[in-house]
Amino acid sequence: GDSVTQMEGPVTLSEEAFLTINCTYTATGYPSLFWYVQYPGEGLQLLLKATKADDKGSNKGFEATYRKETTSFHLEKGSVQVSDSAVYFCALSRSAAGGTSYGKLTFGQGTILTVHP
Amino acid sequence: NAGVTQTPKFRVLKTGQSMTLLCAQDMNHEYMYWYRQDPGMGLRLIHYSVGEGTTAKGEVPDGYNVSRLKKQNFLLGLESAAPSQTSVYFCASSRVRQTTSSEQYFGPGTRLTVT
Repeated sequence: GDSVTQMEGPVTLSEEAFLTINCTYTATGYPSLFWYVQYPGEGLQLLLKATKADDKGSNKGFEATYRKETTSFHLEKGSVQVSDSAVYFCALSRSAAGGTSYGKLTFGQGTILTVHP
Repeated sequence: NAGVTQTPKFRVLKTGQSMTLLCAQDMNHEYMYWYRQDPGMGLRLIHYSVGEGTTAKGEVPDGYNVSRLKKQNFLLGLESAAPSQTSVYFCASSRVRQTTSSEQYFGPGTRLTVT
């Protein structure tokens, strides 16, 4: 079945450091890939997404490139801020049989990021 | 627009008690989902609904029931709570799309403890 594996956390960085959170996936066909972020005490919100190979999703200084050859979707940011402290989830969505997607997401386990001033 | 709201925010149950979690969305979305979030396991899909009056099982449906009597509401019920159901529960909704790329909108979560 489908699965998503994220690098284990927690990740602790100083402000302005470079961030990489690794994500690899297993799925048949051509899934869409997502990064969701969960700030303390809140629900998840979409950070960025990519729907086909070599697509780059970007938002708020974060980027991730859909790499089909390595089945990866690593999240990067060049200079993190204290306000980026959150839990980051990689996820995929794959079409059900017949081509209809019910939008069901398969999530990785989440990576806790803490950024210190 | 309130988006997706969940009630209650917190609840403590004793083993064997029952309760219902309510999710409401005001975005006229067709699809709604219930997830549970456990440490180190990400979010796992419990049940989902692709429209009013329809429900389907997700990855971890045992011990839960759901109903979607109105398009804007999706209820999650625990008939006889067990300590293994201690978790944070998230509701989400999305538009109908014939693609895989629809964004899901999440509620703030319900923290449930079963003692």
